[in-house]
Amino acid sequence: AQKVTQAQTEISVVEKEDVTLDCVYETRDTTYYLFWYKQPPSGELVFLIRRNSFDEQNEISGRYSWNFQKSTSSFNFTITASQVVDSAVYFCALSAAGTASKLTFGTGTRLQVTL
Amino acid sequence: DAGVTQSPTHLIKTRGQQVTLRCSPKSGHDTVSWYQQALGQGPQFIFQYYEEEERQRGNFPDRFSGHQFPNYSSELNVNALLLGDSALYLCASSLLLVTDTQYFGPGTRLTVL
Repeated sequence: AQKVTQAQTEISVVEKEDVTLDCVYETRDTTYYLFWYKQPPSGELVFLIRRNSFDEQNEISGRYSWNFQKSTSSFNFTITASQVVDSAVYFCALSAAGTASKLTFGTGTRLQVTL
Repeated sequence: DAGVTQSPTHLIKTRGQQVTLRCSPKSGHDTVSWYQQALGQGPQFIFQYYEEEERQRGNFPDRFSGHQFPNYSSELNVNALLLGDSALYLCASSLLLVTDTQYFGPGTRLTVL
């Protein structure tokens, strides 16, 4: 069975602070995919990144960066110099490798960025 | 490039009624997945359709059924509604043989009274 744990229910930061969202996963699959999605108040889940289990390189995209560590089953997400527009609920998700496999989501972390 | 669309945006029903939610996938996508998101929770997988057939199913009762049409759009039907069915229903589309990334629509907010 697959499981994703996001222990941080809610995080509040002041604009321009850096913030890291934690994600720990469990799976018996040897190959799998990890995802991060952003859910603003409008409700739509916005895809941010997909990472293959065999690729442990960290990735940076603008102010966003992701740290994948297979040894600790973690896939953490860091926002540098946070902005008010980053306020949203962020979900980490896991799927088995293969075509369009179902996603298993964590419970999400609500990020509140204030001025 | 049209994204995933869902209708209606909001819906209010009473217990015991039936409801149909609709989804049109992103242009070029052929696979549709449905998720239920209760308040304060992460989305839960309901089922997935490809080539007009149910391909995968999550842990949901038979009251939840679906359909996919030749143009790849999909419907989610829920019979004998319960109060616990109140949730945001999200549709996601993907291209089965190319990518494992699912793109989501804005969702339908269902309230059961």
